[in-house]
Amino acid sequence: DAEITQSPRHKITETGRQVTLACHQTWNHNNMFWYRQDLGHGLRLIHYSYGVQDTNKGEVSDGYSVSRSNTEDLPLTLESAASSQTSVYFCASSKDGNTIYFGEGSWLTVV
Amino acid sequence: QKEVEQDPGPLSVPEGAIVSLNCTYSNSAFQYFMWYRQYSRKGPELLMYTYSSGNKEDGRFTAQVDKSSKYISLFIRDSQPSDSATYLCATIMDTGRRALTFGSGTRLQVQP
Repeated sequence: DAEITQSPRHKITETGRQVTLACHQTWNHNNMFWYRQDLGHGLRLIHYSYGVQDTNKGEVSDGYSVSRSNTEDLPLTLESAASSQTSVYFCASSKDGNTIYFGEGSWLTVV
Repeated sequence: QKEVEQDPGPLSVPEGAIVSLNCTYSNSAFQYFMWYRQYSRKGPELLMYTYSSGNKEDGRFTAQVDKSSKYISLFIRDSQPSDSATYLCATIMDTGRRALTFGSGTRLQVQP
């Protein structure tokens, strides 16, 4: 079955380190998204992509970057991890932009 | 002001009760409306999807959209303990940015 997978599922890192969260989908969807979820804020959009070589900033993009070199993958990089980036990160993908499927999440702790 | 507002709960109901979950939104450009269910430590999964105003029913679940008042509702009939989860409303524009805007989620607990 087609699916969307995130790795690592859990990570602890130190302040100032660069961290990359991987996202891989096998549906061949053009649209991919990264959200973070925090108590009281719900899901907030970090970055999104409508296709290869296309990336766009969401509402909370500061300190994060993405690149889209193929259809299947949209890695999220934290350039210099900060404690405020401790969160659960969800990758998602969509064929038509309306029906969006989420991964299982990556729990990141920055100490 | 957030674009989509949702009461965080928690909402606790006895098994068999009718549950009403609600959201309001501020941007009239939103055209598509969804409800996602999220179990603890899992990713959100799509429950219901509607376009513009009206009702949509799927088993025990009914989604309702009133665009004139910018109000979104999800009704759960004969609620079950397995319905205990966080419910997130979400919306998206017809054109332009094609990414969902979420409410903060309502935590529902159905007591057996």
